[in-house]
Amino acid sequence: DIVMTQTPLSSPVTLGQPASISCRSSQSLVHSDGNTYLTWLQQRPGQPPRLLIYKISNRFSGVPDRFSGSGAGTDFTLKISRVEAEDVGVYYCTQATQFPWTFGQGTKVEIK
Amino acid sequence: EVQLLESGGGLVQPGGSLRLSCAASGFTFSSYAMSWVRQAPGKGLEWVSTISDSGDNTYYADSVKGRFTISRDNSKNTLYLQMNSLRAEDTAVYYCAVPWDFWGQGTLVTVSS
Repeated sequence: DIVMTQTPLSSPVTLGQPASISCRSSQSLVHSDGNTYLTWLQQRPGQPPRLLIYKISNRFSGVPDRFSGSGAGTDFTLKISRVEAEDVGVYYCTQATQFPWTFGQGTKVEIK
Repeated sequence: EVQLLESGGGLVQPGGSLRLSCAASGFTFSSYAMSWVRQAPGKGLEWVSTISDSGDNTYYADSVKGRFTISRDNSKNTLYLQMNSLRAEDTAVYYCAVPWDFWGQGTLVTVSS
């Protein structure tokens, strides 16, 4: 199974400041079709998860451009350029390159 | 507007069974693979199962293989999860999702005597 490891697990951030979350996979996430199925999800308190970024760096419809994704192979990053109050929640990376699909442990973003 | 509405959760005794349903609307259900993901209280997300758009292919986490069965009825735009031999560790909110574009609100399954 592919293990997804996120760091940090908790990220206290000042409003308006940037935040960065790292996600490392135990194997390359490059699929045989050439795509890399690395996704970032946001889960606000009491809400279901919400898609932010798919295939490493593609923002989903309606996602603010302060969210960006980057990386390749086994190392990926989610960046929030300027954290807003509504960004509080837990962020998960997940891979759908190989079954079983797996999630990172989650990174809690909170305001300092 | 895409909507996914889960139902069927509740309290069940260990060893019991439950069938979850997910009614989909707002998109061409038969064109998309569908998944179930669960979240134990206070924990992270765990992928449970995925079914192809036609229903011909199914995939399961090892933790539920042989106990859970995913299925779909494209004529009814509905996804199912039949859960048998339930254990305390299956207690979680179960989400259905169009991986990973859209998610339902979830339904809580509690396995306890």
